[in-house]
Amino acid sequence: QVRLVESGGAVVQTGRSLRLSCAVSGFTFKSYSMHWVRQAPGKGLEWVAIISYDGNKKSYTQSVKGRFSISRDTSKDTLYLQMNSLQPEDTAVYYCARDLDSMWISGYFAFWGQGTLVSVSS
Amino acid sequence: QSALTQPPSASGSPGQSVTISCTGTSSDIGTYKYVSWYQQHPGKAPKLMIYEVTRRPSGVPDRFSGSKSGNTASLTVSGLQAEDEGDYYCSSYAGNNVFVFGTGTMITVL
Repeated sequence: QVRLVESGGAVVQTGRSLRLSCAVSGFTFKSYSMHWVRQAPGKGLEWVAIISYDGNKKSYTQSVKGRFSISRDTSKDTLYLQMNSLQPEDTAVYYCARDLDSMWISGYFAFWGQGTLVSVSS
Repeated sequence: QSALTQPPSASGSPGQSVTISCTGTSSDIGTYKYVSWYQQHPGKAPKLMIYEVTRRPSGVPDRFSGSKSGNTASLTVSGLQAEDEGDYYCSSYAGNNVFVFGTGTMITVL
């Protein structure tokens, strides 16, 4: 079955960097667009970034542009989120999510990981 | 790229129906059919309940239905059950491969 497992969350100081990973299994990774979605403690969901199934398209929410970078390694079936210049407002549980449809960008978050907590202290 | 607007809370008794709204703009919901809804229970990852405005993924009960009119999408839960209690979020495509979530609605089953 489809499985997504995030890792890499930690407590870091303002201005530091962190890389999150999302290891996937149970489907053909190279055929699906992937997203990162975050949720600050007690708050709602916020879409963060997308990488297309072929890796050619990447987009970000405005607040992380220039600081975060999404990437994928199809040889390792792993999605990444490189986060630089972290700020306290980046504190959240970060989820990776798989698109519903293959070979497409639908923006329907069909499968989710369990999340990994990033805490940025000032 | 502002969050879509949802009411903070909604409630209903078991067996009743509840409808929650999701208001966006002509730059997101008003232009695109890529509207989806998610259910989230405390401490759990969200679950896709509705996609493409009205479609249900396999396994989602037909008590859940979606609609859209203009810049507003809606989710209706009919025949409320205790397990329907939780947070619900809408989402829409906003152009240029950017997506936006709603502010979230807590549904309480009385």
